[in-house]
Amino acid sequence: DAGVIQSPRHEVTEMGQEVTLRCKPISGHNSLFWYRQTMMRGLELLIYFNNNVPIDDSGMPEDRFSAKMPNASFSTLKIQPSEPRDSAVYFCASSRAGEGAKNIQYFGAGTRLSVL
Amino acid sequence: KNEVEQSPQNLTAQEGEFITINCSYSVGISALHWLQQHPGGGIVSLFMLSSGKKKHGRLIATINIQEKHSSLHITASHPRDSAVYICAVRSPGTYKYIFGTGTRLKVLA
Repeated sequence: DAGVIQSPRHEVTEMGQEVTLRCKPISGHNSLFWYRQTMMRGLELLIYFNNNVPIDDSGMPEDRFSAKMPNASFSTLKIQPSEPRDSAVYFCASSRAGEGAKNIQYFGAGTRLSVL
Repeated sequence: KNEVEQSPQNLTAQEGEFITINCSYSVGISALHWLQQHPGGGIVSLFMLSSGKKKHGRLIATINIQEKHSSLHITASHPRDSAVYICAVRSPGTYKYIFGTGTRLKVLA
């Protein structure tokens, strides 16, 4: 399996622009997570989906952030408009729910976002 | 106070040394996860524990549920072990992780 695939790996944009990050989870996994990592705050959960349905979006910082999962093999995280404080590494992770202690989350390589 | 605390925050060791990284947590958990993040940024799962001890190669992870503490040990450390090691705990009945702030390990040749 190719693992969790994220694109792009790096994104540099100007303040005010729309940014879309993409994630393809591991085939057969039914839980998907978006995280943000910064030096100040470490890893933070933004949102997680179970069976394509958003279960917990309490970590989404504000209305500028939105996430969708139109099907089991694709998710997007969108920031509109972007701000310099959104600069961070964004990780997507997936897991197979229902296996008790075995439902390890597998992480993608991350998208490094720089908003100028 | 963070719900998941790691120590030390930074650690420099000489190649071959035995290394211990600690994780203490203050919440009830169903599992604890050790992750490794390489300088390039990728995150790799090392262990998931709910009790006892697990070993994989030179890595050993232990957990004491009563004391709410876990340790990650690296035997015969090598420069390629240089990375940030992150402890994450999962709350019962959810898939949410609470992350520690990580331990930055540097192993010198």
